[in-house]
Amino acid sequence: AQSVAQPEDQVNVAEGNPLTVKCTYSVSGNPYLFWYVQYPNRGLQFLLKYITGDNLVKGSYGFEAEFNKSQTSFHLKKPSALVSDSALYFCAVRDSTGGFKTIFGAGTRLFVKA
Amino acid sequence: NAGVTQTPKFQVLKTGQSMTLQCAQDMNHNSMYWYRQDPGMGLRLIYYSASEGTTDKGEVPNGYNVSRLNKREFSLRLESAAPSQTSVYFCASSELAEALQGYTFGSGTRLTVV
Repeated sequence: AQSVAQPEDQVNVAEGNPLTVKCTYSVSGNPYLFWYVQYPNRGLQFLLKYITGDNLVKGSYGFEAEFNKSQTSFHLKKPSALVSDSALYFCAVRDSTGGFKTIFGAGTRLFVKA
Repeated sequence: NAGVTQTPKFQVLKTGQSMTLQCAQDMNHNSMYWYRQDPGMGLRLIYYSASEGTTDKGEVPNGYNVSRLNKREFSLRLESAAPSQTSVYFCASSELAEALQGYTFGSGTRLTVV
């Protein structure tokens, strides 16, 4: 069965500092991995994905994520955080052999202080 | 703006009442999904429709029914609402069931069952 874990409920970072939001996953086949962001009272917005190819993928708003197969991780990163990055971030995974179901993590709330 | 539209945005029901949540997309996507979001649990898949004319159960289908009315519309019905169904409901769509481009989400319906 596929699963995804976001070990931190909350991440605090100062504006201008690098940020990392962690995600680990478990699948039977090859993973398809996604990051979404949710702003207050809004639906989720797609940020980036890893399907195949380069382990470092770049997405919207300056975010990037690194796929690490040996550690089964897909951490979200940004070199310099902005106050406007404060939001709820969800990692999601789909198993290439598991049909059409995408599993979402519980979410990590990011606070960026000015 | 193109996207996924959900109605209503807010609803309060009494235990035992029924209601239908509406969802429509104008992106000509083939696949549509209903998720519920609960604190600390991320998003859980209720039902999905890989293509027009098909529907399948997700992780938490009990107490819900769905109808894929046409390619654009996918409704979620609560026949006899229970307090455990208090949640935020999100509809999403993707071009194909594989969803390798990620999902497009609606802005959500906040449902309270008293």
